Amino acid sequence: AQSVTQLGSHVSVSEGALVLLRCNYSSSVPPYLFWYVQYPNQGLQLLLKYTTGATLVKGINGFEAEFKKSETSFHLTKPSAHMSDAAEYFCAVREGGQGFSFIFGKGTRLLVKP
Amino acid sequence: DGGITQSPKYLFRKEGQNVTLSCEQNLNHDAMYWYRQDPGQGLRLIYYSQIVNDFQKGDIAEGYSVSREKKESFPLTVTSAQKNPTAFYLCASSITGVGSPLHFGNGTRLTVT
Repeated sequence: AQSVTQLGSHVSVSEGALVLLRCNYSSSVPPYLFWYVQYPNQGLQLLLKYTTGATLVKGINGFEAEFKKSETSFHLTKPSAHMSDAAEYFCAVREGGQGFSFIFGKGTRLLVKP
Repeated sequence: DGGITQSPKYLFRKEGQNVTLSCEQNLNHDAMYWYRQDPGQGLRLIYYSQIVNDFQKGDIAEGYSVSREKKESFPLTVTSAQKNPTAFYLCASSITGVGSPLHFGNGTRLTVT
């Protein structure tokens, strides 16, 4: 069965510091991987996705993530945090093929200190 | 602009009453989904529908019902059988292509007292 683990329910960084949010997955078939961001009382917005091809994926707002098959990881990074990055971030996996199953991690809340 | 509209944004009901949450999309997506979000628990799938007049139960369907009479609409009814209905409800849609992401509405916060 698929699963997604996000390490750390809360991550705190200083403005300008590196952001690293961790995501590990398990899947018996090649996965499709996604990162979403959620601001308070809003829906989820797609940051980036990995389907096939280049393992380093660039997304919106300066975020990027690298798919590492050997480590079953898809960590999200941003070189320099901005106050507006404070939000909750969700990693999700969708099984390959025509499967309709999306599995979400429990989320990581990013706090940005001035 | 295309998107998903959920209404209302906030909903208050008394225990024992059924309540219906609206979800409309103009993205021409075939698949639609309902998720429930509780603090610290991520998103849990309630129901999903791949085509009109067809839908499947997700992980936590008990106490909920849906219909899919039109491609654009996927309303969710929270029945009195749902033991703990207070939550944030998110509707989403996607195309059925391989690797397609979910597109989300802005959610409805339901409070039952």
